[in-house]
Amino acid sequence: NAGVMQNPRHLVRRRGQEARLRCSPMKGHSHVYWYRQLPEEGLKFMVYLQKENIIDESGMPKERFSAEFPKEGPSILRIQQVVRGDSAAYFCASSLGRDNEQFFGPGTRLTVL
Amino acid sequence: KQEVTQIPAALSVPEGENLVLNCSFTDSAIYNLQWFRQDPGKGLTSLLLIQSSQREQTSGRLNASLDKSSGRSTLYIAASQPGDSATYLCAACTSGTYKYIFGTGTRLKVLA
Repeated sequence: NAGVMQNPRHLVRRRGQEARLRCSPMKGHSHVYWYRQLPEEGLKFMVYLQKENIIDESGMPKERFSAEFPKEGPSILRIQQVVRGDSAAYFCASSLGRDNEQFFGPGTRLTVL
Repeated sequence: KQEVTQIPAALSVPEGENLVLNCSFTDSAIYNLQWFRQDPGKGLTSLLLIQSSQREQTSGRLNASLDKSSGRSTLYIAASQPGDSATYLCAACTSGTYKYIFGTGTRLKVLA
């Protein structure tokens, strides 16, 4: 049973470009969380999704960031018009349900030049 | 607003010691609390999940307790080993919300 998969593992973008981060949850998991870890800072919640629904996006910046978890395929975190301050490690986690433990992927390290 | 604090920020112990890591939270209405370890440059590995109705959970040499009234959770590691060296994180989910609030972690180094 494969764990949570994220790709790409490393992503380099120039300012103004778009970044797309993908997360494939563990088999059977329909709940996905996205977190951001800035250099020398802790993990910050961004968004919680279930299949086809955004449940809680209170941690998402109001502009340029969006997330989806379609019926088929991975969850996508999309960052439009990236700026240097978006450089961070982005982690996703999946779970069977809200009462169950989260399992984390290896993260995507985004560098904005 | 839930805030999670972990003390100490860093800890260095000789191999074989039993040790306790602390996690404090400001809102006692906890739905779940989960402990993780994070190795440098890697993702998080789940260690233990304590649900609101539980007081503790055990897995191997690890034991985590939850005391909602005092706003504390502790992670006990028995007979520590060099392979236990990592950053340990606790994360609390408050009732009525879906977001997990993470502490800033305790960096543990176990010396051989």
